Amino acid sequence: GAGVSQSPSNKVTEKGKDVELRCDPISGHTALYWYRQSLGQGLEFLIYFQGNSAPDKSGLPSDRFSAERTGGSVSTLTIQRTQQEDSAVYLCASSQSNSPLHFGNGTRLTVT
Amino acid sequence: QKEVEQNSGPLSVPEGAIASLNCTYSDRVSQSFFWYRQYSGKSPELIMSIYSNGDKEDGRFTAQLNKASQYVSLLIRDSQPSDSATYLCAVGSNFGNEKLTFGTGTRLTIIP
Repeated sequence: GAGVSQSPSNKVTEKGKDVELRCDPISGHTALYWYRQSLGQGLEFLIYFQGNSAPDKSGLPSDRFSAERTGGSVSTLTIQRTQQEDSAVYLCASSQSNSPLHFGNGTRLTVT
Repeated sequence: QKEVEQNSGPLSVPEGAIASLNCTYSDRVSQSFFWYRQYSGKSPELIMSIYSNGDKEDGRFTAQLNKASQYVSLLIRDSQPSDSATYLCAVGSNFGNEKLTFGTGTRLTIIP
């Protein structure tokens, strides 16, 4: 079946602009995660959605970052007033209960 | 602050030899441990999970866990050039769905 789908695959934006990154999880997966990977770095946890529970936002680096998940499926990560340090690959993953995370191919964000 | 430490490498291993990748973690209550493989420009893919002390074997891969020493390792037997990738260690606090803490990864190169 289809895997986790992310769009766009690449995004170049000017400093100060807002961007939206989209994630389509695997159908039926109740959990959805956003991670960020900077060049040469490990994965940094951003936010976690599990079913209808309140999301775990503890990893969001600033109030410029927000995410929502509509209807328990598609998720959008929004970064307002982008800064150069926001440049990274943003990875989305989904999973079913007690199953491994399945990652999408990521969105490479470049802030100029 | 939960931490997962890995030697960034690069680790070079001759084809056919055993590659040994190591990871230490700081959170004593960690319960789940994962190894992900990430090819350059690609998303991470799960190759091993381990939850109990001891060894777990899957084909050419063996994961080893020592909770007392807060240490987890991955052995790759009969290394192949296709094993060349970055290997990410990830640690979780529960057995089920939850955010994982990732190490920065070890870059492995298999020399033909």
